[in-house]
Amino acid sequence: DVKVTQSSRYLVKRTGEKVFLECVQDMDHENMFWYRQDPGLGLRLIYFSYDVKMKEKGDIPEGYSVSREKKERFSLILESASTNQTSMYLCASKGAGPQHFGDGTRLSIL
Amino acid sequence: AQSVTQLDSQVPVFEEAPVELRCNYSSSVSVYLFWYVQYPNQGLQLLLKYLSGSTLVESINGFEAEFNKSQTSFHLRKPSVHISDTAEYFCAVSATGRRALTFGSGTRLQVQP
Repeated sequence: DVKVTQSSRYLVKRTGEKVFLECVQDMDHENMFWYRQDPGLGLRLIYFSYDVKMKEKGDIPEGYSVSREKKERFSLILESASTNQTSMYLCASKGAGPQHFGDGTRLSIL
Repeated sequence: AQSVTQLDSQVPVFEEAPVELRCNYSSSVSVYLFWYVQYPNQGLQLLLKYLSGSTLVESINGFEAEFNKSQTSFHLRKPSVHISDTAEYFCAVSATGRRALTFGSGTRLQVQP
């Protein structure tokens, strides 16, 4: 069974901090994704990666960056956190089949 | 580009009643269609998918969805719901050959005793 693990379930940070969200998958999938989930908006794609060191912008990349140095790990970086980045963040991975999701990180920026 | 519209943000229903959660999509190319379910404090789980072939697809827990190309719809149905079906349901679409998904805004199904 595919396992996508997000390092934190809950995280509280301050405005202006640099924030790292980590995601690890155990199925050797090429593709990994970061979404944010907000009430009434569903999930919106921030970035995705289709190979090590390869990335593409999603629909809402502003204020975020990503890093994929190893195939199993995909990091989302908030360069300078702002209150409008308070949200639920979901990581997913995909091989030949559908996307598999982690349990999410609920991030609060104070 | 693709877009997904879930017409109902909340659907209250009594236990053992039938339910339909509506999903319409827009795309200029062929698509794959998905329904995901999110139980409280959990990530999304795949419920069912349409890739090709039979337009009626079923899940292991009694849900089914029918792909209707002419109406660009992929509505989710269950003939008799349980309390345990209470969750948020997301419809999603991807263009064939594209890796990323486009999600609808979600429908919260509330099953009441």
